[in-house]
Amino acid sequence: EAQVTQNPRYLITVTGKKLTVTCSQNMNHEYMSWYRQDPGLGLRQIYYSMNVEVTDKGDVPEGYKVSRKEKRNFPLILESPSPNQTSLYFCASSWEGSVNEQFFGPGTRLTVL
Amino acid sequence: AQKITQTQPGMFVQEKEAVTLDCTYDTSDPSYGLFWYKQPSSGEMIFLIYQGSYDQQNATEGRYSLNFQKARKSANLVISASQLGDSAMYFCAMREGTGRRALTFGSGTRLQVQP
Repeated sequence: EAQVTQNPRYLITVTGKKLTVTCSQNMNHEYMSWYRQDPGLGLRQIYYSMNVEVTDKGDVPEGYKVSRKEKRNFPLILESPSPNQTSLYFCASSWEGSVNEQFFGPGTRLTVL
Repeated sequence: AQKITQTQPGMFVQEKEAVTLDCTYDTSDPSYGLFWYKQPSSGEMIFLIYQGSYDQQNATEGRYSLNFQKARKSANLVISASQLGDSAMYFCAMREGTGRRALTFGSGTRLQVQP
């Protein structure tokens, strides 16, 4: 089954404790992306990757890092989480050359205390 | 300027009636795609329908149709015969064909279907 998986689905942590949210897709997509969703703001792009070893900033990259060492994986790293990073996070993937559907993961609810 | 505007924060509709959720967009890229996603209370993003900027016909998927008016830059979602399970947040989004090609989302419309 074609899918995007994220782990963990739920996470409560404390300020400053480094964490990683994993994202993996099995569709051989070149393009992968992270979004965060906050009330009243829709989803905003954090980082994206056009292919292996190619990453770039989205609209709200501050406080986040990403890496793309393999085509299928695109982890999101919070080196020193802060309460304003409490949010719902989505990973998405698609074919690089298309403008149609992005496949979304199930989301990760992160709370930073 | 907002790239995607959804002017209805909340909507109510009676079960079995049709409802239109508004979306306007702004882009100078000739190649773009317009999307609608449904987000139930469980949180996942469910793809509903897609319209390409070069598509001549309005997209339809079952009870969902997209009223695409290119000159007005609008892409309204029409849900026919509403069901209780349609109660959710609905997001309009656009993906441009150039640049970083992120999905740009509107702020969403919360639809409540009443029995």
